[in-house]
Amino acid sequence: QVLLQESGPGLVKPSQTLSLTCNVSGDSISSGYHYWSWIRQPAGKGLEWIGRIYPTGSTDYNPSLKSRLTILLDASKNQFSLKLTSVTAADTAVYYCARFDYTDYRFDYWGQGTLVTVSS
Amino acid sequence: DIHLTQSPSTLSASVGDRVTITCRASQNINNWLAWYQQKPGKAPKLLISKASNVESGVPSRFSGSGLGTEFTLIISSLQPDDFATYYCHSGMFGQGTKVDLK
Repeated sequence: QVLLQESGPGLVKPSQTLSLTCNVSGDSISSGYHYWSWIRQPAGKGLEWIGRIYPTGSTDYNPSLKSRLTILLDASKNQFSLKLTSVTAADTAVYYCARFDYTDYRFDYWGQGTLVTVSS
Repeated sequence: DIHLTQSPSTLSASVGDRVTITCRASQNINNWLAWYQQKPGKAPKLLISKASNVESGVPSRFSGSGLGTEFTLIISSLQPDDFATYYCHSGMFGQGTKVDLK
């Protein structure tokens, strides 16, 4: 069974950096046929794909966030992380990490999500 | 970038109704489309991948079809557990379709 768990501060001040980590168990993030992704959802709104990292460490980012976004992979801890700089209230959302199976083009495992609020 | 447009945005229905949700892609995506169900406070749940492959454990009342730019999710007989929001995905997500009680 693959499990993903997000962790990080629930409150971030405007203009600061939002940092989250996704811990993965039951699969190796540095091998296989999966991408490791971040998705977010503001309250009452739809899902927004943030970006993904491949087992090789290469990344794809949502163009709307690309200038502020970094996704990294730590194979030694079997976890991947998200850093979003210069946050504003518009970045307040539930952030999910998820595994993407690119052979069947689906998010097959999700974390439970973590709420991040941007406020002073 | 691929843009996905779902319709309707909200759908009011009764238990037992046949429900159809459409997802239209801005360009040809072959069958690279998945459908997810999301309930309040929960992570999305995968229902269908590659347009028509129903995931293991998903009730048989759910089906998907389509190819290219037009895709459909059908719930053949709506059950109380099906009131939720549904999203299509191919790269990006559609804006969602909320199915609520008429």
